[in-house]
Amino acid sequence: QVQLQETGPGLVKPSETLSLTCTFSGGSISAYYWTWIRQPPGKGLEWIGYVSKGGRTRYNPSLESRVTISADTSKKHFSLNLTSVTAADTAVYFCARDPKGDWAFDSWGQGRLVTVSS
Amino acid sequence: QSVLTQPPSASATPGQRVSISCSGSSSNIGSNGVNWYQQLPGTAPKLLIYSNIQRPSRVPDRFSGSKSGTSASLAISGLQSEDEADYYCSSWDDSLNGWVFGGGTKLTVL
Repeated sequence: QVQLQETGPGLVKPSETLSLTCTFSGGSISAYYWTWIRQPPGKGLEWIGYVSKGGRTRYNPSLESRVTISADTSKKHFSLNLTSVTAADTAVYFCARDPKGDWAFDSWGQGRLVTVSS
Repeated sequence: QSVLTQPPSASATPGQRVSISCSGSSSNIGSNGVNWYQQLPGTAPKLLIYSNIQRPSRVPDRFSGSKSGTSASLAISGLQSEDEADYYCSSWDDSLNGWVFGGGTKLTVL
């Protein structure tokens, strides 16, 4: 049974960098596509991007200039960095697993609320 | 605005059947599979339907999916109070080279 857990600061100042880590258990990092998805309070879901089993990344074009997703195979976690944040980046950030990259998200973390405020 | 279009709300009484629609385009639903996620209040989404019609083993057969052209639907029969949740459709978009979601439908069990 795979489990994912997001960790990182819950408060980030405007213009700074949002950094989150997703740690998982019950699977191999090299066998899946690891994804970040966010949900602003009271709103819908937005795909941020993924890092593939081979280390390849793909990002939402609307966020691509500010996003980096990376994986640490030895530590079984993957990370999200979002630079130059504004209040519009306030959201619950979820990490999720996709076996094929364009199939479906079959496991999700519980989510981490990140508020952008001074 | 979301790339995929869903009605913002739906409602029905226990035992009834309800259907939620999801409309897209040729670059997403028209050429790729549709997934549905259920998000209970205060929790993370869970995969409900994948590849248009498939159900993970843990999902009751009261839930079913369908797709025609650039639209898809989620149907829930024998509605139960615990089905009250937000439902999201999703599909890969070949133009964006990424995942897109619907805006979500809030289902109320009256």
